[in-house]
Amino acid sequence: DAGVIQSPRHEVTEMGQEVTLRCKPISGHDYLFWYRQTMMRGLELLIYFNNNVPIDDSGMPEDRFSAKMPNASFSTLKIQPSEPRDSAVYFCASSHGTGGKSSYNEQFFGPGTRLTVL
Amino acid sequence: AQKITQTQPGMFVQEKEAVTLDCTYDTSDPSYGLFWYKQPSSGEMIFLIYQGSYDQQNATEGRYSLNFQKARKSANLVISASQLGDSAMYFCAMTDTGRRALTFGSGTRLQVQP
Repeated sequence: DAGVIQSPRHEVTEMGQEVTLRCKPISGHDYLFWYRQTMMRGLELLIYFNNNVPIDDSGMPEDRFSAKMPNASFSTLKIQPSEPRDSAVYFCASSHGTGGKSSYNEQFFGPGTRLTVL
Repeated sequence: AQKITQTQPGMFVQEKEAVTLDCTYDTSDPSYGLFWYKQPSSGEMIFLIYQGSYDQQNATEGRYSLNFQKARKSANLVISASQLGDSAMYFCAMTDTGRRALTFGSGTRLQVQP
């Protein structure tokens, strides 16, 4: 089974340019998460989807960031315009949803996209 | 709101010894899950172990065990018989029924010395 796939793995761009990060979740997973990792802020949630619907976007920094999930097998995170402070590793993760009392939903992470904005 | 606290920025351990990485958490939800992830220098996030708030026994996965003390709101990771390949960042994280996304601690960098 292929894991979570992210592209590109590395992106170097100049300030002001548009950046699009892509994610293909594990087939059959109905939750998709976008996280960002920086030295200053650690690992933080940006947004997550359930059955392609955004559930919590409270972590999206500002209007420059947008995320979409047009179908169950694809999601994008777009930054327009990009700024140097957006430089980070962006992880996509996916999981099954579970019902009942358990909150168990092991999240499988992609390899991440390392974004550098000059 | 959820909160995860890892108070050990860095730890050293001798090869073959056991090590405990501390994690405390806070949530008002009685149903929650606690996770540990490993991040080696290559950058990927590797799931290690899970503990549910209703689980009666401490979780174990091979050399990893989770020392779950519910009243103290702690979920410490114990690695037995450390190996050089255990050198990595370790993150404690949690979810609850109100939030499926992981809330992470700041991490502990473990270095295993030969």
